[in-house]
Amino acid sequence: DTGVSQDPRHKITKRGQNVTFRCDPISEHNRLYWYRQTLGQGPEFLTYFQNEAQLEKSRLLSDRFSAERPKGSFSTLEIQRTEQGDSAMYLCASSLIRKNEKLFFGSGTQLSVL
Amino acid sequence: KQEVTQIPAALSVPEGENLVLNCSFTDSAIYNLQWFRQDPGKGLTSLLLIQSSQREQTSGRLNASLDKSSGRSTLYIAASQPGDSATYLCAVRRETSGSRLTFGEGTQLTVNP
Repeated sequence: DTGVSQDPRHKITKRGQNVTFRCDPISEHNRLYWYRQTLGQGPEFLTYFQNEAQLEKSRLLSDRFSAERPKGSFSTLEIQRTEQGDSAMYLCASSLIRKNEKLFFGSGTQLSVL
Repeated sequence: KQEVTQIPAALSVPEGENLVLNCSFTDSAIYNLQWFRQDPGKGLTSLLLIQSSQREQTSGRLNASLDKSSGRSTLYIAASQPGDSATYLCAVRRETSGSRLTFGEGTQLTVNP
């Protein structure tokens, strides 16, 4: 069990640029989640996948955000035309579908938009 | 809309003290509640998960209780240690919101040697 892996750990970009983050879930996990966390706040749900299907998206996920999970394995989160308000920690989590579903989080990608 | 509140926002205690962290939620129609630990700049580590039909869960020095009808949960930490210093977050999964978790803002705990 190598845990949930996120890349990169840190990303600094200029306003208006596009950024892409990657998440590799625990290998047998069929659900994958993206959350966003700002300083001093709890994580906010963005979207989740069951296998390759994107089943739910938050209203926080504007049309500048897109997430994919091809083949039900790793996932990418892309932010187009970044804004300073996008600065946050982007967290990925994975889980197995079961009654006592527990989420396992990665260490996150810290995005700073200058 | 489900709202989750954690009190206190920050807590500082001497080593060895027993302590209680509180979590409340506005909609009692939850499927389960989960407590997490987060170290600075890191992801979240799951500590305990309580199903809506359960009253409590224990793991080592940690005990979490759930009173679904009153919309409250507590995390009890016995014999606190400096290594327990972290932010503790509770999150609820509603019965009707699919699979998303709604988080509180967390309690930042400092255990002083």
